[in-house]
Amino acid sequence: RKEVEQDPGPFNVPEGATVAFNCTYSNSASQSFFWYRQDCRKEPKLLMSVYSSGNEDGRFTAQLNRASQYISLLIRDSKLSDSATYLCVVGVRGNTPLVFGKGTRLSVIA
Amino acid sequence: GAGVSQSPRYKVAKRGQDVALRCDPISGHVSLFWYQQALGQGPEFLTYFQNEAQLDKSGLPSDRFFAERPEGSVSTLKIQRTQQEDSAVYLCASSSTGTYSYEQYFGPGTRLTVT
Repeated sequence: RKEVEQDPGPFNVPEGATVAFNCTYSNSASQSFFWYRQDCRKEPKLLMSVYSSGNEDGRFTAQLNRASQYISLLIRDSKLSDSATYLCVVGVRGNTPLVFGKGTRLSVIA
Repeated sequence: GAGVSQSPRYKVAKRGQDVALRCDPISGHVSLFWYQQALGQGPEFLTYFQNEAQLDKSGLPSDRFFAERPEGSVSTLKIQRTQQEDSAVYLCASSSTGTYSYEQYFGPGTRLTVT
Protein backbone atom coordinates (compact mmCIF):
# COMPACT_ATOMS: atom_id res chain seq x y z
CA ARG A 1 0.00 0.00 0.00
CA LYS A 2 1.37 3.41 -0.94
CA GLU A 3 1.93 5.81 1.94
CA VAL A 4 -0.16 8.55 0.34
CA GLU A 5 -2.96 7.67 -2.05
CA GLN A 6 -4.98 9.93 -4.28
CA ASP A 7 -7.52 9.40 -7.02
CA PRO A 8 -5.53 10.30 -10.15
CA GLY A 9 -8.59 11.66 -11.94
CA PRO A 10 -8.91 13.46 -14.25
CA PHE A 11 -11.71 15.46 -12.78
CA ASN A 12 -13.36 17.43 -15.58
CA VAL A 13 -15.63 20.11 -14.20
CA PRO A 14 -17.36 23.19 -15.65
CA GLU A 15 -16.38 26.68 -14.56
CA GLY A 16 -18.13 27.67 -11.36
CA ALA A 17 -18.45 24.11 -10.07
CA THR A 18 -17.37 22.93 -6.66
CA VAL A 19 -14.93 20.02 -6.66
CA ALA A 20 -13.46 17.99 -3.82
CA PHE A 21 -10.37 15.80 -3.70
CA ASN A 22 -9.54 13.29 -1.02
CA CYS A 23 -6.23 11.80 -0.04
CA THR A 24 -5.50 8.99 2.42
CA TYR A 25 -2.25 8.35 4.25
CA SER A 26 -1.04 5.20 5.93
CA ASN A 27 1.37 6.44 8.60
CA SER A 28 -0.58 7.29 11.75
CA ALA A 29 2.47 9.17 13.09
CA SER A 30 2.11 11.78 10.33
CA GLN A 31 2.18 15.31 11.69
CA SER A 32 2.29 17.74 8.80
CA PHE A 33 0.04 17.93 5.79
CA PHE A 34 0.07 20.06 2.67
CA TRP A 35 -1.57 20.50 -0.68
CA TYR A 36 0.73 21.47 -3.54
CA ARG A 37 -0.35 22.48 -7.02
CA GLN A 38 1.64 21.47 -10.08
CA ASP A 39 0.99 22.89 -13.54
CA CYS A 40 1.99 20.87 -16.58
CA ARG A 41 5.80 20.76 -16.94
CA LYS A 42 6.26 23.11 -13.98
CA GLU A 43 7.43 22.67 -10.42
CA PRO A 44 5.10 21.97 -7.50
CA LYS A 45 3.97 25.10 -5.68
CA LEU A 46 2.66 25.15 -2.13
CA LEU A 47 -1.08 25.77 -2.17
CA MET A 48 -1.81 25.46 1.52
CA SER A 49 -0.86 23.71 4.72
CA VAL A 50 -3.58 21.62 6.35
CA TYR A 51 -4.32 22.04 10.03
CA SER A 52 -6.34 19.86 12.36
CA SER A 53 -8.98 22.54 12.73
CA GLY A 54 -9.33 22.88 8.98
CA ASN A 55 -8.39 26.00 7.12
CA GLU A 56 -9.69 28.16 4.34
CA ASP A 57 -7.95 30.40 1.84
CA GLY A 58 -10.37 32.16 -0.45
CA ARG A 59 -12.10 29.54 -2.59
CA PHE A 60 -9.97 26.72 -1.17
CA THR A 61 -10.77 24.77 1.99
CA ALA A 62 -8.60 22.00 3.42
CA GLN A 63 -9.72 19.52 6.05
CA LEU A 64 -7.86 16.88 8.02
CA ASN A 65 -9.46 13.82 9.58
CA ARG A 66 -6.82 12.15 11.76
CA ALA A 67 -9.08 9.31 12.89
CA SER A 68 -9.72 8.22 9.32
CA GLN A 69 -6.31 9.37 8.08
CA TYR A 70 -7.56 11.41 5.21
CA ILE A 71 -7.14 14.93 3.96
CA SER A 72 -9.48 16.78 1.66
CA LEU A 73 -9.31 19.83 -0.57
CA LEU A 74 -12.45 21.65 -1.64
CA ILE A 75 -12.38 24.18 -4.46
CA ARG A 76 -15.44 26.39 -4.82
CA ASP A 77 -16.40 28.41 -7.89
CA SER A 78 -13.78 26.71 -10.07
CA LYS A 79 -11.85 28.90 -12.51
CA LEU A 80 -10.16 27.85 -15.73
CA SER A 81 -6.86 28.78 -14.04
CA ASP A 82 -7.45 26.10 -11.39
CA SER A 83 -6.67 23.42 -14.00
CA ALA A 84 -3.59 21.64 -12.66
CA THR A 85 -2.48 18.55 -10.76
CA TYR A 86 -3.02 18.71 -7.00
CA LEU A 87 -0.48 16.84 -4.88
CA CYS A 88 -1.26 15.65 -1.38
CA VAL A 89 1.86 15.72 0.82
CA VAL A 90 2.39 14.21 4.26
CA GLY A 91 5.26 14.48 6.72
CA VAL A 92 6.21 12.75 9.94
CA ARG A 93 7.83 14.90 12.59
CA GLY A 94 11.49 14.12 12.87
CA ASN A 95 13.99 12.89 10.39
CA THR A 96 11.66 11.50 7.78
CA PRO A 97 11.16 12.94 4.31
CA LEU A 98 7.88 14.36 3.05
CA VAL A 99 5.88 11.84 1.04
CA PHE A 100 4.02 13.01 -2.04
CA GLY A 101 0.97 11.41 -3.56
CA LYS A 102 0.84 10.88 -7.32
CA GLY A 103 -1.53 13.80 -7.69
CA THR A 104 -5.08 14.38 -8.86
CA ARG A 105 -5.55 16.04 -12.20
CA LEU A 106 -8.22 18.73 -12.50
CA SER A 107 -9.47 20.23 -15.74
CA VAL A 108 -11.88 23.13 -15.50
CA ILE A 109 -13.82 23.55 -18.72
CA ALA A 110 -15.46 26.72 -20.06
CA GLY B 1 12.92 37.77 -3.86
CA ALA B 2 14.66 35.17 -5.95
CA GLY B 3 13.31 31.67 -5.75
CA VAL B 4 15.09 28.35 -6.13
CA SER B 5 16.96 28.10 -9.41
CA GLN B 6 18.23 25.02 -11.18
CA SER B 7 20.48 24.46 -14.15
CA PRO B 8 20.48 23.20 -16.76
CA ARG B 9 16.73 23.17 -17.36
CA TYR B 10 17.07 20.38 -19.90
CA LYS B 11 19.80 17.81 -20.32
CA VAL B 12 20.12 15.05 -22.89
CA ALA B 13 22.77 12.49 -22.09
CA LYS B 14 23.89 9.39 -23.89
CA ARG B 15 23.70 6.22 -21.82
CA GLY B 16 26.91 5.88 -19.84
CA GLN B 17 27.67 9.60 -19.62
CA ASP B 18 28.05 11.44 -16.33
CA VAL B 19 25.83 14.45 -15.61
CA ALA B 20 25.85 17.19 -12.98
CA LEU B 21 22.74 19.10 -12.00
CA ARG B 22 22.95 22.34 -10.05
CA CYS B 23 20.60 23.87 -7.50
CA ASP B 24 20.70 27.40 -6.04
CA PRO B 25 18.35 27.49 -3.06
CA ILE B 26 16.60 30.54 -1.68
CA SER B 27 19.19 32.67 0.09
CA GLY B 28 19.47 31.80 3.77
CA HIS B 29 17.50 28.57 3.52
CA VAL B 30 19.00 25.96 5.79
CA SER B 31 17.48 22.84 4.26
CA LEU B 32 17.87 21.59 0.73
CA PHE B 33 16.17 18.57 -0.79
CA TRP B 34 16.52 16.69 -4.06
CA TYR B 35 13.60 14.80 -5.58
CA GLN B 36 13.11 12.70 -8.69
CA GLN B 37 9.80 12.93 -10.53
CA ALA B 38 8.92 10.40 -13.19
CA LEU B 39 6.10 11.06 -15.64
CA GLY B 40 2.70 10.74 -13.98
CA GLN B 41 4.16 10.33 -10.51
CA GLY B 42 4.64 12.59 -7.53
CA PRO B 43 8.13 13.70 -6.55
CA GLU B 44 10.14 11.00 -4.78
CA PHE B 45 12.71 11.96 -2.16
CA LEU B 46 16.37 11.43 -2.99
CA THR B 47 18.47 13.24 -0.40
CA TYR B 48 18.46 16.03 2.21
CA PHE B 49 21.02 18.56 3.39
CA GLN B 50 20.95 20.72 6.45
CA ASN B 51 23.51 23.41 5.67
CA GLU B 52 26.51 21.48 4.33
CA ALA B 53 25.69 18.23 6.12
CA GLN B 54 23.99 15.49 4.13
CA LEU B 55 21.67 14.10 6.78
CA ASP B 56 19.71 11.66 4.68
CA LYS B 57 20.57 9.96 1.42
CA SER B 58 18.20 7.04 1.82
CA GLY B 59 16.33 7.85 -1.39
CA LEU B 60 19.30 7.74 -3.74
CA PRO B 61 18.50 4.81 -6.07
CA SER B 62 22.04 3.56 -6.52
CA ASP B 63 25.67 4.39 -5.81
CA ARG B 64 25.78 6.10 -9.21
CA PHE B 65 23.97 9.01 -7.59
CA PHE B 66 25.96 11.45 -5.50
CA ALA B 67 25.04 14.86 -4.05
CA GLU B 68 27.02 17.56 -2.31
CA ARG B 69 26.53 20.99 -0.81
CA PRO B 70 30.07 21.91 0.27
CA GLU B 71 29.45 25.46 1.49
CA GLY B 72 25.91 25.06 2.68
CA SER B 73 24.40 26.94 -0.24
CA VAL B 74 24.59 25.66 -3.84
CA SER B 75 24.13 21.92 -4.28
CA THR B 76 25.08 19.58 -7.09
CA LEU B 77 23.49 16.23 -7.87
CA LYS B 78 25.78 14.03 -9.93
CA ILE B 79 24.72 10.92 -11.77
CA GLN B 80 27.47 8.69 -13.06
CA ARG B 81 27.13 6.28 -15.98
CA THR B 82 23.57 7.35 -16.71
CA GLN B 83 20.99 4.71 -17.57
CA GLN B 84 17.67 5.09 -19.39
CA GLU B 85 15.76 4.59 -16.16
CA ASP B 86 17.40 7.79 -14.84
CA SER B 87 15.28 9.82 -17.27
CA ALA B 88 13.08 12.02 -15.11
CA VAL B 89 12.69 15.53 -13.81
CA TYR B 90 15.06 16.29 -10.94
CA LEU B 91 13.60 18.83 -8.55
CA CYS B 92 15.41 20.76 -5.88
CA ALA B 93 13.56 22.32 -2.96
CA SER B 94 14.65 24.46 -0.05
CA SER B 95 13.17 25.29 3.30
CA SER B 96 13.97 27.92 5.89
CA THR B 97 13.86 25.49 8.80
CA GLY B 98 16.09 22.61 9.74
CA THR B 99 13.41 19.96 9.61
CA TYR B 100 11.67 17.90 6.95
CA SER B 101 8.19 18.74 8.06
CA TYR B 102 7.88 22.27 6.88
CA GLU B 103 6.87 24.04 3.68
CA GLN B 104 9.35 23.47 0.90
CA TYR B 105 9.82 25.70 -2.13
CA PHE B 106 10.73 24.05 -5.39
CA GLY B 107 12.92 25.06 -8.28
CA PRO B 108 11.80 24.58 -11.91
CA GLY B 109 13.59 21.25 -12.20
CA THR B 110 16.04 19.74 -14.64
CA ARG B 111 14.49 17.43 -17.21
CA LEU B 112 17.01 14.67 -17.89
CA THR B 113 16.61 12.45 -20.91
CA VAL B 114 19.01 9.54 -21.30
CA THR B 115 19.17 8.14 -24.82
